[in-house]
Amino acid sequence: EDQVTQSPEALRLQEGESSSLNCSYTVSGLRGLFWYRQDPGKGPEFLFTLYSAGEEKEKERLKATLTKKESFLHITAPKPEDSATYLCAVLTGSGNTGKLIFGQGTTLQVKP
Amino acid sequence: KAGVTQTPRYLIKTRGQQVTLSCSPISGHRSVSWYQQTPGQGLQFLFEYFSETQRNKGNFPGRFSGRQFSNSRSEMNVSTLELGDSALYLCASSLGPSGNTIYFGEGSWLTVV
Repeated sequence: EDQVTQSPEALRLQEGESSSLNCSYTVSGLRGLFWYRQDPGKGPEFLFTLYSAGEEKEKERLKATLTKKESFLHITAPKPEDSATYLCAVLTGSGNTGKLIFGQGTTLQVKP
Repeated sequence: KAGVTQTPRYLIKTRGQQVTLSCSPISGHRSVSWYQQTPGQGLQFLFEYFSETQRNKGNFPGRFSGRQFSNSRSEMNVSTLELGDSALYLCASSLGPSGNTIYFGEGSWLTVV
């Protein structure tokens, strides 16, 4: 069964304290991996798409990496405004019948 | 460029009623998908539409249905509402079906009492 697991469920950091969020997956065929940020009461906001192992993407304090079994979202010197729930999703399947499977998310709190 | 627009943002319904939620995709996007988000289950895929055709469907009962219009706008309907249908319903759009990055709207908060 296709599965996406994110860890930790919750993470508390001090401002400036770098860390990583993990997204591990077991799927029949990876077509892409997506990272989203979700603020309370709002829809997920797209961050990155990764398609193949070894690929990396960066945006401000965030950097996403992908291996054959997992993806990491590295947060360098986080600020309080980085506090949110971070979701990863894996696209699996073939052709026009792909399926996007979401992890449960990691809720990040950055304290000043 | 306007994002994905969902209406209504908040609604309260009584058990047994039905509800229709609306979604306008990003201009130029032809694929629309719907998700249900609850604290316990997370984000779960409902269905995806492209060119007015349902391309993919998640594991939800037949009470959940949707459609897409020729202008790519989409609606989803839930009939015979149950308390467990209380959730945030998210619409997302993409340029094409399955494989393109999807962009979410702000969601419609449904409370069933």
